[in-house]
Amino acid sequence: DTEVTQTPKHLVMGMTNKKSLKCEQHMGHRAMYWYKQKAKKPPELMFVYSYEKLSINESVPSRFSPECPNSSLLNLHLHALQPEDSALYLCASSHPFGRGAYNEQFFGPGTRLTVL
Amino acid sequence: KQEVTQIPAALSVPEGENLVLNCSFTDSAIYNLQWFRQDPGKGLTSLLLIQSSQREQTSGRLNASLDKSSGRSTLYIAASQPGDSATYLCAVHSGGGADGLTFGKGTHLIIQP
Repeated sequence: DTEVTQTPKHLVMGMTNKKSLKCEQHMGHRAMYWYKQKAKKPPELMFVYSYEKLSINESVPSRFSPECPNSSLLNLHLHALQPEDSALYLCASSHPFGRGAYNEQFFGPGTRLTVL
Repeated sequence: KQEVTQIPAALSVPEGENLVLNCSFTDSAIYNLQWFRQDPGKGLTSLLLIQSSQREQTSGRLNASLDKSSGRSTLYIAASQPGDSATYLCAVHSGGGADGLTFGKGTHLIIQP
């Protein structure tokens, strides 16, 4: 099974709302990632978790708060977002750097977020 | 900082043609390189992964090559089909403590029936 699942598929929220995106994988991967993809642009790395610890934060604003409660789950908590944060949010997983299977990254279908 | 460039940005060819998509990267110290396919509004599907020590990988009608020293990779698609229409993204993993991928802007491919 090489599937990464993400919920919800679509999310519309106001600038004062709090919402969360969820990502799940059962491939035994211990590295999980959040990417942001604006329309007609390539994905950009936001966060990396390795062994459930945050290892990379690419200078993302604090209104995005990641959480990795266990090795299969990754959440992205959203608060006080801006309209320019509207994008496709992609989750990915892989074996951590240097540990097996050449670190191939597998992506989920994404959550399409619209901030009004 | 690693930069990835893909040429051409868009390509439209008749069904049945063989085609080549190009990817270049500025820092040759990569760990691996992945080619992805993305359909409109969808997530990324991994097509091929090439380790830095490898020269090429094949999967069905797809063949990817890597010339690490010159900072180049190509994706060869044989006997193209309308179902191959999508955006193809090249991404490099620079290794070390940076587990994330750096993506090119993609090649938007249309295969005409």
